[in-house]
Amino acid sequence: DAKTTQPNSMESNEEEPVHLPCNHSTISGTDYIHWYRQLPSQGPEYVIHGLTSNVNNRMASLAIAEDRKSSTLILHRATLRDAAVYYCILRAPYSGGGADGLTFGKGTHLIIQP
Amino acid sequence: DTAVSQTPKYLVTQMGNDKSIKCEQNLGHDTMYWYKQDSKKFLKIMFSYNNKELIINETVPNRFSPKSPDKAHLNLHINSLELGDSAVYFCASSHSTISYEQYFGPGTRLTVT
Repeated sequence: DAKTTQPNSMESNEEEPVHLPCNHSTISGTDYIHWYRQLPSQGPEYVIHGLTSNVNNRMASLAIAEDRKSSTLILHRATLRDAAVYYCILRAPYSGGGADGLTFGKGTHLIIQP
Repeated sequence: DTAVSQTPKYLVTQMGNDKSIKCEQNLGHDTMYWYKQDSKKFLKIMFSYNNKELIINETVPNRFSPKSPDKAHLNLHINSLELGDSAVYFCASSHSTISYEQYFGPGTRLTVT
């Protein structure tokens, strides 16, 4: 699996935007970029995913570099509830069977200051 | 309604015992997984089942035996528990052909003394 690199931790203030970077310089042309987060004492939670174009959903936005070697998860207005570990994960496209597990790295520990 | 549920939430047991963790999903998914999160917080896939058939078994000791009685359930049985088995175990599910999103349960914290 191609590797991802994320900062160990980031800090932001409540109600401000947060930009969480992820480097994936060895990404293959067909890998999707997924983001999950894990709130304290909870299971991981899907956030967003994309392939080439920027993506928006109710939780966040995903900005993907033109060369796809990096991406940024954007939380538009962080709240205390967004304090979590955020994981950037590369996944090959569905190829039949579709039962592959997620390969989690260390993620970024996001701290939100009130 | 809880989408992916696990029981028990906490499990404390002694070395050498045999224990089971149960997982159920009510999402209509065809694929279920077990992950282990160790004390350093690394999350690692252990098993995946698609339509009750084992797909992934990631170098897990054969003391761990998953069992899928139907597509909505994937239980994890652990024989001869060791101290190193202490971890949080997460069950997850997904639909293999519709979406890549995996939905995780709340976890079972296993402590082996």
